[in-house]
Amino acid sequence: NAGVTQTPKFQVLKTGQSMTLQCAQDMNHNSMYWYRQDPGMGLRLIYYSASEGTTDKGEVPNGYNVSRLNKREFSLRLESAAPSQTSVYFCASMTGGLTDTQYFGPGTRLTVL
Amino acid sequence: AQSVTQLGSHVSVSEGALVLLRCNYSSSVPPYLFWYVQYPNQGLQLLLKYTSAATLVKGINGFEAEFKKSETSFHLTKPSAHMSDAAEYFCAVSASNSGYALNFGKGTSLLVTP
Repeated sequence: NAGVTQTPKFQVLKTGQSMTLQCAQDMNHNSMYWYRQDPGMGLRLIYYSASEGTTDKGEVPNGYNVSRLNKREFSLRLESAAPSQTSVYFCASMTGGLTDTQYFGPGTRLTVL
Repeated sequence: AQSVTQLGSHVSVSEGALVLLRCNYSSSVPPYLFWYVQYPNQGLQLLLKYTSAATLVKGINGFEAEFKKSETSFHLTKPSAHMSDAAEYFCAVSASNSGYALNFGKGTSLLVTP
């Protein structure tokens, strides 16, 4: 099992460009999440999908959109990138319960110039 | 809303010394708490979790944490630090109002010196 995979690993964008971060899991998990990690801020929730076909905003959703393509895949789109979106982005998945373990991907390091 | 606070953004210990990383929670309902570790340029890996079955929780790599309701704490400890323990450690609480997403603390960077 590959677990949670993310592509790309690194990306540099110019302000105003768009891109999509891809995430896939092969653990048959129901719930998937996108977090961003900034120095001294911990991880903050951007969007989540509790089940296939549903998505909801998290703590910091502005400037992002998501798509739960199927049970395996959950993508994050930046329509018009801004320097404030420079961050490391993590995708996570879990079966779906208060005590379940979330499994994290390796992350995408994004720089917006 | 459930939240956690990690005291100390940086902790330095000598190899072989006790590791103590502090986490306090704020929750109006019984919390479900987690400790994750992040090695440089990697994703997060679960160390241990508290799910109310036992107050002393043992995790991987010799780490353990004790849930103390009276102190609203869930501190992470390891009796003897190894150089390989140098990493970023995150305390988190499960949030029932956002699809069981995790609310993370700001993290504690552990440095282990020879």
